[in-house]
Amino acid sequence: EDKVVQSPLSLVVHEGDTVTLNCSYEVTNFRSLLWYKQEKKAPTFLFMLTSSGIEKKSGRLSSILDKKELFSILNITATQTGDSAVYLCAAFKQGGSEKLVFGKGTKLTVNP
Amino acid sequence: GAGVSQSPRYKVAKRGQDVALRCDPISGHVSLFWYQQALGQGPEFLTYFQNEAQLDKSGLPSDRFFAERPEGSVSTLKIQRTQKEDSAVYLCASSSRDRGTNEQFFGPGTRLTVL
Repeated sequence: EDKVVQSPLSLVVHEGDTVTLNCSYEVTNFRSLLWYKQEKKAPTFLFMLTSSGIEKKSGRLSSILDKKELFSILNITATQTGDSAVYLCAAFKQGGSEKLVFGKGTKLTVNP
Repeated sequence: GAGVSQSPRYKVAKRGQDVALRCDPISGHVSLFWYQQALGQGPEFLTYFQNEAQLDKSGLPSDRFFAERPEGSVSTLKIQRTQKEDSAVYLCASSSRDRGTNEQFFGPGTRLTVL
C-alpha cells in the first residue's frame, strides 16, 4: 500500500530559527514529490521535485529529493510568524490515476 | 475565475440527509480531483476526472458517495444519507494537463459537519 510519512507531526520554534521538515515515501510508480503549505483551507503549491539531488529554492524555502533513500526534506531558514502553517508532502504516481498521495502534514508554529 | 472555487464553504447536515458539494475548476483545466481531509490528517484521494470522464473512483469510501462532471467543467460531489464519519473538509483540485500532470491547484474546500 502506498505510504507517505512526515515528521515531526508538529514543531514549535521562535522567529529566526531554521527548521527541517522530513518526508519519506513508499509509493509504486513514483514520479515526483510535491510540497504544499496549508494555512486555512486550500493547500498552496511550494515545490515539485522529480530528480534526485537537485535542490529547489524559493526565498527562504528550499527542498531536495533523495530517490535512493525515498526521502525529501523541506528547509525554512530565518523563520517568520507567517510561516506558521501545516506543510504537506505528497507523492505523485505516474501512469493510471493522476492522484496525489499525501502525508499527514507537519504543523509548524513560529512564535515571535 | 482566477482560482478553483467551491461552494458552499460550510455545510451542516443532519445524519441521513443528502448533500451536494460544488467545484468550479480553473477555466480550461482538464483534470479535476476530489479529496477528503479529516481533522489533523492529510488530504485523501476520492476521485479523478479527465474532462467529463471519471477515470478513477477508487477512493470513494462507499456507494453513498457519487461524483459527476457532466460537461467537463463544474463538478458535483454528492453524499447520500450522510453519516457522522463523513464530517471532513472536502477539497477540490484541478490541473491543466490531462496526463503527467503534477501541480494541482486546490480550492478552499467545503467543511461538512454531520450532526
